Amino acid sequence: DAGVTQSPTHLIKTRGQQVTLRCSPKSGHDTVSWYQQALGQGPQFIFQYYEEEERQRGNFPDRFSGHQFPNYSSELNVNALLLGDSALYLCASSLALRERDHEQFFGPGTRLTVL
Amino acid sequence: AQSVSQHNHHVILSEAASLELGCNYSYGGTVNLFWYVQYPGQHLQLLLKYFSGDPLVKGIKGFEAEFIKSKFSFNLRKPSVQWSDTAEYFCAVKIPRLANTGKLIFGQGTTLQVKP
Repeated sequence: DAGVTQSPTHLIKTRGQQVTLRCSPKSGHDTVSWYQQALGQGPQFIFQYYEEEERQRGNFPDRFSGHQFPNYSSELNVNALLLGDSALYLCASSLALRERDHEQFFGPGTRLTVL
Repeated sequence: AQSVSQHNHHVILSEAASLELGCNYSYGGTVNLFWYVQYPGQHLQLLLKYFSGDPLVKGIKGFEAEFIKSKFSFNLRKPSVQWSDTAEYFCAVKIPRLANTGKLIFGQGTTLQVKP
């Protein structure tokens, strides 16, 4: 049973470029959340997708957008990259119907470096 | 805004020493509480969680945590650490009234280094 997978593992971009990160949830999960983890900090919630819609959004600008596909996989897009966007981007999956017994399973992350 | 504070940023212990990592949150209502661990080169993993009931929660690998509502705290403890406990530890909070969102609010983490 595969856990949460993310691609790519590492990515280097320059300022102003756009990037797309991908996430496949754990088998049986239908909800995907994205977090940004800057160096030396805890993960910060970007947004969550369920039934192909954004359910909640954290304090991130509109440059950050996402998508969820019918197979529950998800993409995170960041436009007009800034140096401050350099971070580890984590994807977490969960099962919506079990919110009461909530556990999010995290992927290994994508390390984004903006030069 | 809700927040989570971990007071110890970097802890160094010798093997067999006892561990207590502090976690405080700022929210007056009902919360769900979590401790996650990130071993070097590995994913974030859930150590333990509290939703309701007995405020003393036992997790994996001998860890436990105590929820003290009056102190808004959820401190992590282990009686005797091992070298393999070297990792980064994150406390996290979920606000259940914000149902169907699943947003976790994390502290900034504590790096634990256990010396053999």
